[in-house]
Amino acid sequence: ETGVTQSPTHLIKTRGQQVTLRCSSQSGHNTVSWYQQALGQGPQFIFQYYREEENGRGNFPPRFSGLQFPNYSSELNVNALELDDSALYLCASSPLGANVLTFGAGSRLTVL
Amino acid sequence: EDQVTQSPEALRLQEGESSSLNCSYTVSGLRGLFWYRQDPGKGPEFLFTLYSAGEEKEKERLKATLTKKESFLHITAPKPEDSATYLCAVDASGTYKYIFGTGTRLKVLA
Repeated sequence: ETGVTQSPTHLIKTRGQQVTLRCSSQSGHNTVSWYQQALGQGPQFIFQYYREEENGRGNFPPRFSGLQFPNYSSELNVNALELDDSALYLCASSPLGANVLTFGAGSRLTVL
Repeated sequence: EDQVTQSPEALRLQEGESSSLNCSYTVSGLRGLFWYRQDPGKGPEFLFTLYSAGEEKEKERLKATLTKKESFLHITAPKPEDSATYLCAVDASGTYKYIFGTGTRLKVLA
């Protein structure tokens, strides 16, 4: 097992810019989910991908979008960044049929 | 509305002083309750899954229990390395779309 790896680990953007965060999920895990964790809060579900299709979305606007690739890696894109988008973005994966999420270390986004 | 509430928000213990963390939940149909540990700047690390009332799981100094309305994470004789934020989450749909609580920040003093 190689775990869930995310990049970049830290980044700083200014309001209005766009950002892409990347995730390489664990071998054999075909479901990937993205969560946003603001400082001092629990993670909030953004969306989930299964077989390269979006499979559910939380209460986040359309400027949050994603992709899943055939090798189960994934991207989270955020357009028109706002100050409140500053958070730790977590990628999590799970194998089909196993109800346990394995999280990556996250990407810390700061929007100035 | 599905909801998860954790208490206390923060807890300071002396090494060896046992205590319990609480996670109360309101969901339409529980498909699993999960405990995670999160160290500063890191992603959550899986600890336990509980599925039905009465179920218990143990790992080293940690024991998780589940009732129809809440779960407890009991910490027996904690050590400083147990200091972390403990997160509780529920899956109400069976689709890995977890609802997390805000966590309990535990500090164990030597």
